Amino acid sequence: QKEVEQDPGPLSVPEGAIVSLNCTYSNSAFQYFMWYRQYSRKGPELLMYTYSSGNKEDGRFTAQVDKSSKYISLFIRDSQPSDSATYLCAMREAAGNKLTFGGGTRVLVKP
Amino acid sequence: GAVVSQHPSWVICKSGTSVKIECRSLDFQATTMFWYRQFPKQSLMLMATSNEGSKATYEQGVEKDKFLINHASLTLSTLTVTSAHPEDSSFYICSASEVFYGYTFGSGTRLTVV
Repeated sequence: QKEVEQDPGPLSVPEGAIVSLNCTYSNSAFQYFMWYRQYSRKGPELLMYTYSSGNKEDGRFTAQVDKSSKYISLFIRDSQPSDSATYLCAMREAAGNKLTFGGGTRVLVKP
Repeated sequence: GAVVSQHPSWVICKSGTSVKIECRSLDFQATTMFWYRQFPKQSLMLMATSNEGSKATYEQGVEKDKFLINHASLTLSTLTVTSAHPEDSSFYICSASEVFYGYTFGSGTRLTVV
């Protein structure tokens, strides 16, 4: 079993819909949680960075962390075709500096 | 914001030759840099962690004599793929870590060995 699980998709939604992404993890020591967006043949771009449990909102993006369930989510409101990409969750322990990534979810927003 | 520049963006080399990939933090000093490898439709696999002025720490299964990492300054790390073979063809991505900016990734290098 992988340390971080993420549905690979693809997830296809119409333009304007809400995109819902999530990851589950098994390591209770993870304290920092990140969401990255990666376009084809490009490096990942940080979207959201949260610490411990709770919600964080930034523009069209909302990240949620539920440490009791070992479950994190990313919501994208008013999705645009330009949001079509692969979304990677990543997390790390408080004491370490290595990121552990999920496998990524491919998202396609259709005009 | 933090910017990490990675060069080249793509490279084709002959089997048996060596290839060097550069990773630069442009507007901050990166105490730690990471090198990843990514296969098509797969996630990032950490290859090694390097701290400025010290030897890199390689992940299990990564050949340190094949993938040479040098982190000679706080703004530059290089990955050299020595004696490259077709199975080394992949997408290589670097990342720089800094206290305020967190983890910033380069744009990646697509290596094709023929």
